[in-house]
Amino acid sequence: GENVEQHPSTLSVQEGDSAVIKCTYSDSASNYFPWYKQELGKRPQLIIDIRSNVGEKKDQRIAVTLNKTAKHFSLHITETQPEDSAVYFCAAPGLAGNQFYFGTGTSLTVIP
Amino acid sequence: DSGVTQTPKHLITATGQRVTLRCSPRSGDLSVYWYQQSLDQGLQFLIQYYNGEERAKGNILERFSAQQFPDLHSELNLSSLELGDSALYFCASSVASGPRTEAFFGQGTRLTVV
Repeated sequence: GENVEQHPSTLSVQEGDSAVIKCTYSDSASNYFPWYKQELGKRPQLIIDIRSNVGEKKDQRIAVTLNKTAKHFSLHITETQPEDSAVYFCAAPGLAGNQFYFGTGTSLTVIP
Repeated sequence: DSGVTQTPKHLITATGQRVTLRCSPRSGDLSVYWYQQSLDQGLQFLIQYYNGEERAKGNILERFSAQQFPDLHSELNLSSLELGDSALYFCASSVASGPRTEAFFGQGTRLTVV
C-alpha cells in the first residue's frame, strides 16, 4: 500500500512562532492529502486538505503545500497558540484509492 | 460532533474473549473505515466497507472481522483477544468510496484487554 512518512515526530515551538510538518508519500497516483489534528484522547479532526490540482491552500493560520514532483506535502501553522498543541497526522490514499494511510503523527507543543 | 457514533466508549475484557464494536456513520455516508490506534502510535488502517461491501483491507488480523449492514452501520468483531489488542479503535465515514472525500471520525472505543 501507500507509504506515508511524516517528520518530525515531536515539535516544540514558542507561542507566536511558526510550525512546519512534512510528509512524503510513495504512490504518484495519490491525489488528495488531508491533515488531521488529534487532541489527547479525542478523535482526529480534519483541519485542512489539498487536492493534486493545486500547489497551496490556506485557511487563516494554517496552510498546506504540495509538491507532486517530489511527492511531498507540508503543513504550516503560523502565529502558533497553546491550543494548537496536539498530534497532527497527514494522510494519503492507498493504491485502490479507497482508504487513507496515515503518517506516524507529529506531537506539537506550543510553549506559552 | 462529527455525526459518527461509536459504542461502547470504553470496554474492558479478558484475554481470549470476543467483543463487538459498533459504528453508525453520518447520515448519508456510505463508506465506513476502521482504524486501530495503539498507545503513542499512529492510525493503522484495518478495513473499509462501502454500501455493504468490503472495499479495501489493511493490516487486519485474521482474528478480527467486520461487516456493514443494510442500514449502513458497521461492526468490528475482535476475537481471541490478546493484551496487545488493547487500543483505541476508531470508525470513520465518508460519503463516497474514493479518496477525495473527507472522512469524519467517531469518538472511538477504548478497548482494554486484561
